[in-house]
Amino acid sequence: NAGVTQTPKFQVLKTGQSMTLQCAQDMNHEYMSWYRQDPGMGLRLIHYSVGAGITDQGEVPNGYNVSRSTTEDFPLRLLSAAPSQTSVYFCASRDGFNEQYFGPGTRLTVT
Amino acid sequence: ILNVEQSPQSLHVQEGDSTNFTCSFPSSNFYALHWYRWETAKSPEALFVMTLNGDEKKKGRISATLNTKEGYSYLYIKGSQPEDSATYLCAFNPGGGADGLTFGKGTHLIIQP
Repeated sequence: NAGVTQTPKFQVLKTGQSMTLQCAQDMNHEYMSWYRQDPGMGLRLIHYSVGAGITDQGEVPNGYNVSRSTTEDFPLRLLSAAPSQTSVYFCASRDGFNEQYFGPGTRLTVT
Repeated sequence: ILNVEQSPQSLHVQEGDSTNFTCSFPSSNFYALHWYRWETAKSPEALFVMTLNGDEKKKGRISATLNTKEGYSYLYIKGSQPEDSATYLCAFNPGGGADGLTFGKGTHLIIQP
């Protein structure tokens, strides 16, 4: 099993550009989530999904869109990047009660 | 926004000593409490998922307890080793349809040889 994979590992964007951060898991987990990690702020939930076709907002959803067309994939879209979105992004998946598995992270810089 | 607090923020411990730290969370609704270990430049790694009041879990020298009625969990490390140096995160799931995890800011543990 590859677990949770994320691409790209690093990305630099200019303000106003759009991009999609990819996340995939091969564990058939129902729950998938996106977090951002900022200094002094810990991990903050952006969006999550409890199954294909179902998504919901977390603590900091503004500026991000998600969709969940398959169990395996949960992409995060930045429609118009802003410097405030410079962060490290983690995707994670879990199965119900059980422990959550994190991807390796994407380091995004918006200039 | 749910309030999940961890204390202390950072901790220096001598190798061989035992230590513990706290996670507090809202006691009104409870579904699960997670503990994670996060080493620099890596991804968080799950330690425990706790679901029942009075739960105690153990993995090697690390153990955790849970009190859902008063809204806290303790993580204990016995006989600290340098490889225990990491940030320890707790994450709260209130359930009831709000299924995302809310993380505390972590306790940064440094073991001094």
